[in-house]
Amino acid sequence: NAGVTQTPKFQVLKTGQSMTLQCAQDMNHEYMSWYRQDPGMGLRLIHYSVGAGITDQGEVPNGYNVSRSTTEDFPLRLLSAAPSQTSVYFCASSYSWTGGNTIYFGEGSWLTVV
Amino acid sequence: TQLLEQSPQFLSIQEGENLTVYCNSSSVFSSLQWYRQEPGEGPVLLVTVVTGGEVKKLKRLTFQFGDARKDSSLHITAAQPGDTGLYLCAGARINTGTASKLTFGTGTRLQVTL
Repeated sequence: NAGVTQTPKFQVLKTGQSMTLQCAQDMNHEYMSWYRQDPGMGLRLIHYSVGAGITDQGEVPNGYNVSRSTTEDFPLRLLSAAPSQTSVYFCASSYSWTGGNTIYFGEGSWLTVV
Repeated sequence: TQLLEQSPQFLSIQEGENLTVYCNSSSVFSSLQWYRQEPGEGPVLLVTVVTGGEVKKLKRLTFQFGDARKDSSLHITAAQPGDTGLYLCAGARINTGTASKLTFGTGTRLQVTL
């Protein structure tokens, strides 16, 4: 019953460093996405993918890169970390995205940029 | 731009009380979902409503989608400490030709005490 697995759970970065948040799902879902959650802001979409090889930008894509080489994996790369990227990051997947489908979230990755 | 506004932001009530959480927007959504999130975990889907005026019940929780599909409410009857958490509404915009993007509300943090 793995579902959506995110690693690492916690990470502290220095300004300017780069890192990758890993996300894997074992449900053969077409749609995967990354959100960040900040106090009072709800969840905001960073990037999403509707299938292997296809990615697109969400609401707040600046400073982040994604790729989708396989159906299972959808890593999020921080190119040059900034304090404004301190947040909780959630990876999510769903069977398809035509609206109304169940979205499954990972447990989150807490990132602090100092 | 925050498309979905939730109210209230915080709610602290005693066990047995009733409460209503509102999710409002000026935009029309093809479907609307409610999630509950507990500390240290990702959001978990509670319900999806897709038809204007639709009412769904999940034990003591009643969800309603507005007739114009711009707003929704969550009513909890006889709240229990286990209802404590962050409640998020999320709407899927009506898009053609591309994957619908889910927009999350600002969240309502509920605390139910004995």
